[in-house]
Amino acid sequence: GAGVSQSPRYKVAKRGQDVALRCDPISGHVSLFWYQQALGQGPEFLTYFQNEAQLDKSGLPSDRFFAERPEGSVSTLKIQRTQQEDSAVYLCASSLSGRLYNSPLHFGNGTRLTVT
Amino acid sequence: KQEVTQIPAALSVPEGENLVLNCSFTDSAIYNLQWFRQDPGKGLTSLLLIQSSQREQTSGRLNASLDKSSGRSTLYIAASQPGDSATYLCAAQGGKLIFGQGTELSVKP
Repeated sequence: GAGVSQSPRYKVAKRGQDVALRCDPISGHVSLFWYQQALGQGPEFLTYFQNEAQLDKSGLPSDRFFAERPEGSVSTLKIQRTQQEDSAVYLCASSLSGRLYNSPLHFGNGTRLTVT
Repeated sequence: KQEVTQIPAALSVPEGENLVLNCSFTDSAIYNLQWFRQDPGKGLTSLLLIQSSQREQTSGRLNASLDKSSGRSTLYIAASQPGDSATYLCAAQGGKLIFGQGTELSVKP
């Protein structure tokens, strides 16, 4: 398919484990975003890439969260020493343009992380 | 700091009704206002994007309006259908996209 692909679809981690969540954006899309969505809430911004450059990481909740997009396509969100409050759906979105204001976002189906 | 609020949190209507979903935002310095649909267990699907210079956008049975000065947007759904049942999210884009909490819509046959 031509959409944004995220894997794994579901992830269960024991508290203290490290996890890595993958996002394959639409081919050619310049901008890539990560969002965290708690149950019953709207998505909360985590971080933004323009190609390989991480231009905004102000939404990352702690230094346990780390994101990268080394070649400007696939991105990985890593969470170290997971805590129960990290349980959420992690959504990835991409857009064609590097200009944020005129390009619709295309979202993946998300990774549901449960920390036990 | 931008805050986005959606009212109501949940709405249940019979099939065929016209309905309005409301969105308000605190900072009018936005590039655009976007409406998304989210089905259970799925990601978000973009419905409409209204640039800050525009007043409204239409797509099929959906019409979204934007009043920047008052910090409000509405999503109008005409002749609702059971397939419209989903959560509808609005988001205001300044430097980043800030979402409301969504309105959960149920359209009963």
